Amino acid sequence: DAKTTQPPSMDCAEGRAANLPCNHSTISGNEYVYWYRQIHSQGPQYIIHGLKNNETNEMASLIITEDRKSSTLILPHATLRDTAVYYCIARDSGGYQKVTFGIGTKLQVIP
Amino acid sequence: DADVTQTPRNRITKTGKRIMLECSQTKGHDRMYWYRQDPGLGLRLIYYSFDVKDINKGEISDGYSVSRQAQAKFSLSLESAIPNQTALYFCATSDYRDRGKYNEQFFGPGTRLTVL
Repeated sequence: DAKTTQPPSMDCAEGRAANLPCNHSTISGNEYVYWYRQIHSQGPQYIIHGLKNNETNEMASLIITEDRKSSTLILPHATLRDTAVYYCIARDSGGYQKVTFGIGTKLQVIP
Repeated sequence: DADVTQTPRNRITKTGKRIMLECSQTKGHDRMYWYRQDPGLGLRLIYYSFDVKDINKGEISDGYSVSRQAQAKFSLSLESAIPNQTALYFCATSDYRDRGKYNEQFFGPGTRLTVL
């Protein structure tokens, strides 16, 4: 798996967009970028993934740079329930599916 | 996610005791995993299973064993619990079929284990 780097913490005002960056400069061509989040002591929750193109689902948008060395997870209208630790993972979709979570970014949504 | 359940949710035990943590899923997934989480260390893989006849060690399997009793059930055992096995334990499942979704894992609510 490619190494990913995320800021340890971020704050965001409620109702505003939360933009969470992730660097994955050593990502290879067949590695996807995945995002999970973990609300305090609950099981991690899958958010979104992408390979090259930007992706959007009901939870978030994923913007991947053209060179694929970094990406940004966007929560368009953050709520207090979005307060969580967000994990960015770069992983080949083949092989065994161990998911390695690093320390992630602690997002605090402020009222 | 109610599709993946873990029992017990909390357990306090003593050093040297044998402990079993159980995981059940109704998602119909073939692949199941056990992770532990410690503060500041993220999630680490203990064991994983791709089907009933397949068991594989993860990063930190020493001191643990597993049993895949059925497609829907995957149990983790601590043969002789020690204090540094105090952690939050998660079970997860995934589906093999859709390329690109290989790493969409569905996690249970966790079991908080304390070994005194």
